[in-house]
Amino acid sequence: QKEVEQNSGPLSVPEGAIASLNCTYSDRGSQSFFWYRQYSGKSPELIMFIYSNGDKEDGRFTAQLNKASQYVSLLIRDSQPSDSATYLCAATNFGNEKLTFGTGTRLTIIP
Amino acid sequence: DAGVTQSPTHLIKTRGQQVTLRCSPKSGHDTVSWYQQALGQGPQFIFQYYEEEERQRGNFPDRFSGHQFPNYSSELNVNALLLGDSALYLCASSTGLSYEQYFGPGTRLTVT
Repeated sequence: QKEVEQNSGPLSVPEGAIASLNCTYSDRGSQSFFWYRQYSGKSPELIMFIYSNGDKEDGRFTAQLNKASQYVSLLIRDSQPSDSATYLCAATNFGNEKLTFGTGTRLTIIP
Repeated sequence: DAGVTQSPTHLIKTRGQQVTLRCSPKSGHDTVSWYQQALGQGPQFIFQYYEEEERQRGNFPDRFSGHQFPNYSSELNVNALLLGDSALYLCASSTGLSYEQYFGPGTRLTVT
């Protein structure tokens, strides 16, 4: 079982709709969770991180964490074509220690 | 405020050769982590340097080694290159005061 799992997609969402990206993790010692966006041929760009159960909102993005279910999600509201990218979920056990990544979900926003 | 920088951008090497990749962290950051990303995969942690010491290491062979300098910049060295070492090598910088790790643009290594 992989430590961090994501549905590889591709996930297609109409422009203006809500995109929902999901991630599960197996290590109960994981404390902090990160969502990175990666455009093709580019490096990962940090979107947001979450470490407390519940929701965290930043503009059009909302991260959700449920430690009991070992589940993390990212919602993108009012999806734009520029949101088309691969979204990587990552976990860490403590502070700025090593990130363990999932394989990423490829998201396509359809105009 | 300069972000994380890496050099070179692209590199082509032959099997058996050695390569050195370089990283300068974001201003104010003192910790550098290296990751390897194969095509279609998520980044895999190689090691992390803090105060010029290797603090954590992932599941990579001893052919992969690194160094951190007093100015917090870092090098990744790979000896006896294999075809399977072809990947995007990413450097991430951070500080112990926060959770976030920010990635540089990466070095694309091709081994032929």
